[in-house]
Amino acid sequence: QQQVKQSPQSLIVQKGGISIINCAYENTAFDYFPWYQQFPGKGPALLIAIRPDVSEKKEGRFTISFNKSAKQFSLHIMDSQPGDSATYFCAASSGYALNFGKGTSLLVTP
Amino acid sequence: DTEVTQTPKHLVMGMTNKKSLKCEQHMGHRAMYWYKQKAKKPPELMFVYSYEKLSINESVPSRFSPECPNSSLLNLHLHALQPEDSALYLCASSQGEAGGYETQYFGPGTRLLVL
Repeated sequence: QQQVKQSPQSLIVQKGGISIINCAYENTAFDYFPWYQQFPGKGPALLIAIRPDVSEKKEGRFTISFNKSAKQFSLHIMDSQPGDSATYFCAASSGYALNFGKGTSLLVTP
Repeated sequence: DTEVTQTPKHLVMGMTNKKSLKCEQHMGHRAMYWYKQKAKKPPELMFVYSYEKLSINESVPSRFSPECPNSSLLNLHLHALQPEDSALYLCASSQGEAGGYETQYFGPGTRLLVL
């Protein structure tokens, strides 16, 4: 059973545009929401993470928006670059177990 | 330094072979994880070690046998694997604090092919 639902499955954005990836969860016990970026043949790398007591967190071009009442969170990539082309996974956890979304394949075109 | 290292990078084995995957971290983390990732899928949790004790086993077949010799090392012993076990095997580590907010740091993975 998929505990975290992620959309879209794939996304094409022009260079300089905004990439938006959305995730939703049901388990209110989740208390940590990281986003991972994965390039082909590499392990996932932590991009940015948020806790439910914060509604937004920004690090450089990456912003997480968190809506606790709706049980949704999203990743915004501003000024998207071709180097951002990768697969992005949202996740939610309480304790050790990370529950991943199915992933979004992002392609940023020149 | 947030590096988790894994060896080997690639492994090809027959169904009757015995091999081991190795993972190492020097961040002082006390929780270590094994994940399996198939192409275009998210990582699937296999095992969690907390303070060198197995704390989570996600109903993984016995042909996968984890071992945590010390707080920095994690092994995954493989025996009699099936072709469908071919995947990227990822190791991760986190601080291991019981309070949650566990940021997991992943290694580059071992690409395993079972013939």
